[in-house]
Amino acid sequence: DVKVTQSSRYLVKRTGEKVFLECVQDMDHENMFWYRQDPGLGLRLIYFSYDVKMKEKGDIPEGYSVSREKKERFSLILESASTNQTSMYLCASSYARDTQYFGPGTRLTVL
Amino acid sequence: LAKTTQPISMDSYEGQEVNITCSHNNIATNDYITWYQQFPSQGPRFIIQGYKTKVTNEVASLFIPADRKSSTLSLPRVSLSDTAVYYCLVGDDSNSGYALNFGKGTSLLVTP
Repeated sequence: DVKVTQSSRYLVKRTGEKVFLECVQDMDHENMFWYRQDPGLGLRLIYFSYDVKMKEKGDIPEGYSVSREKKERFSLILESASTNQTSMYLCASSYARDTQYFGPGTRLTVL
Repeated sequence: LAKTTQPISMDSYEGQEVNITCSHNNIATNDYITWYQQFPSQGPRFIIQGYKTKVTNEVASLFIPADRKSSTLSLPRVSLSDTAVYYCLVGDDSNSGYALNFGKGTSLLVTP
């Protein structure tokens, strides 16, 4: 079975802090994704990566950056966290573009 | 903005068949339609995928008409444990290569 893990289930940070969310997959998938999920808005794509050091903006990249130095690891970075970035963050990986395997999510609260 | 449209919520009793329809007018020629299920405090999980006509697995069936501008997820004889949010995923040919669009999801509540 594909396993996608995220570094934290719950995280509390203060406004202005730099925040790193880590995601690791163990199936040698080329594609990795970061989403955020908010009530009433569904899943929204922040960034995705189709290869090491490659990245593409999703629907809502503002305020976020990503890093993919190794194939199995995809990091989401909030350079200066703000309260409107309080959300559930979900990482996914895939071989094919559509069949994605999700991690358990990180619930981030920015105070 | 999401490029798919689903009902926001649906209610059903145990044992009934539930059909959830997703509209996707801009589906690309080579794109598949994929449905995911999400329970509270968990990431979504894949349940079924299709390109045209009908696909069936042990969990659900997926019906896709010839024009592929919509799809219907069918859950036979639902149980309480089918209470979840269901997402429809299709490719998007209005953006470059890898743009992906989840619907906003349909929240299904199954009651006794």
